Amino acid sequence: QVQLVQSGAEVKKPGASVKVSCKASGYFFTGYYMHWVRQAPGQGLEWMGWINPNSGDTNYAQKFQDSVTMTRDTSISTVYMEMRRVRSDDTAVYYCAREGAIAVAGPFDYWGQGTLVTVSS
Amino acid sequence: EIVLTQSPGTLFLSPGERATLSCRASQSVSSSYLAWYQQKPGQAPRLLIYGASSRATGIPDRFSGSGSGTDFTLTISRLEPEDFAVFYCHQYGRSPWTFGQGTKVEIK
Repeated sequence: QVQLVQSGAEVKKPGASVKVSCKASGYFFTGYYMHWVRQAPGQGLEWMGWINPNSGDTNYAQKFQDSVTMTRDTSISTVYMEMRRVRSDDTAVYYCAREGAIAVAGPFDYWGQGTLVTVSS
Repeated sequence: EIVLTQSPGTLFLSPGERATLSCRASQSVSSSYLAWYQQKPGQAPRLLIYGASSRATGIPDRFSGSGSGTDFTLTISRLEPEDFAVFYCHQYGRSPWTFGQGTKVEIK
């Protein structure tokens, strides 16, 4: 069965960097794009970007162009989202989500359990 | 970017009642690339509907989606106790991918 397992909660000081991992299993890892979505406390869902695990190509929301890098390690079926220079308003739960289609646009059919990143001095 | 506006913000209903949730897009959504998710407190979102009207695997048939272009609807025919949650629409036809702000379905 498809599973996305994310790394544990993080607490960071403003200006630091944070790196969240998402380990995939149960499917052909390089066949499906992976997206990152975040959710601030009590707020809605915000799309951050995607990575193509096959090529490593990425596409970021404009808001995150200068602060986020998504990478992957195909040997361990894991994608990463690194955010630099975090601020208090980056406090959120960060989700990885699989785009559930090949060659055409697809919805997010599987989600990780979420990783809470808290930014506090 | 395509802005999705959901209404109402909160829906107060009783178990057994019908729920009708709306999602309006600022531009036409390509090929009906519109999905609906359910999210319960402390959980990740769960895919309910994709392609505007197709139910995801394992989703009960009391959930249905309709619409095209800029107007979409999620209907829950008879609310079960486990259905009370927040629902989000999502367009995945054009970058940047966007979500509506959510509709909360609460027990009356």
